[in-house]
Amino acid sequence: DAKTTQPTSMDCAEGRAANLPCNHSTISGNEYVYWYRQIHSQGPQYIIHGLKNNETNEMASLIITEDRKSSTLILPHATLRDTAVYYCIVPRTTSGTYKYIFGTGTRLKVLA
Amino acid sequence: ETGVTQTPRHLVMGMTNKKSLKCEQHLGHNAMYWYKQSAKKPLELMFVYNFKEQTENNSVPSRFSPECPNSSHLFLHLHTLQPEDSALYLCASSQERWQTYEQYFGPGTRLTVT
Repeated sequence: DAKTTQPTSMDCAEGRAANLPCNHSTISGNEYVYWYRQIHSQGPQYIIHGLKNNETNEMASLIITEDRKSSTLILPHATLRDTAVYYCIVPRTTSGTYKYIFGTGTRLKVLA
Repeated sequence: ETGVTQTPRHLVMGMTNKKSLKCEQHLGHNAMYWYKQSAKKPLELMFVYNFKEQTENNSVPSRFSPECPNSSHLFLHLHTLQPEDSALYLCASSQERWQTYEQYFGPGTRLTVT
């Protein structure tokens, strides 16, 4: 099982980059890293995922270290609407099928 | 809008009632999931369906009964619930289960058991 570890909470000033770290030191070579966020009492929202290379989309960038034991989600210009709980997930395989194990995530608060 | 809808959005029911939660996805996905999120706890996976077949039941009490009549619809039938079953129930879908695909979540049903 690839378990992830994230800080409990972080603050970020509006307009600045938010860098959210995640440790996944037991990740296997073919396991992806996924990031989701959950704004209060809503369903989680997919943000981005990656395997080895850094990835970027319209929402965020994902930086994965060369040894793949950790990653960082970057929100380049955080806004108040980015205040949410951010989850880093490495899907677990059982009998050939994949499932997510959600941890407690990082509670990001963007400050005006 | 994620393409996954859930109804009702809020539900209050007594312990002796029977009710059903409905989930519908308009994404052409083949896997659907039920999650439970209790207050201040992580999301817990309850059930998984892949191509209409149940592939996972995470030791969920029998008072929760899922049904997946086709790949677009998923139900959670509730009966004789307990107050500790009050939670946010989330439905999600993904392309299928045998590879990692992103999951798309509905807005959830906030259930209160009185």
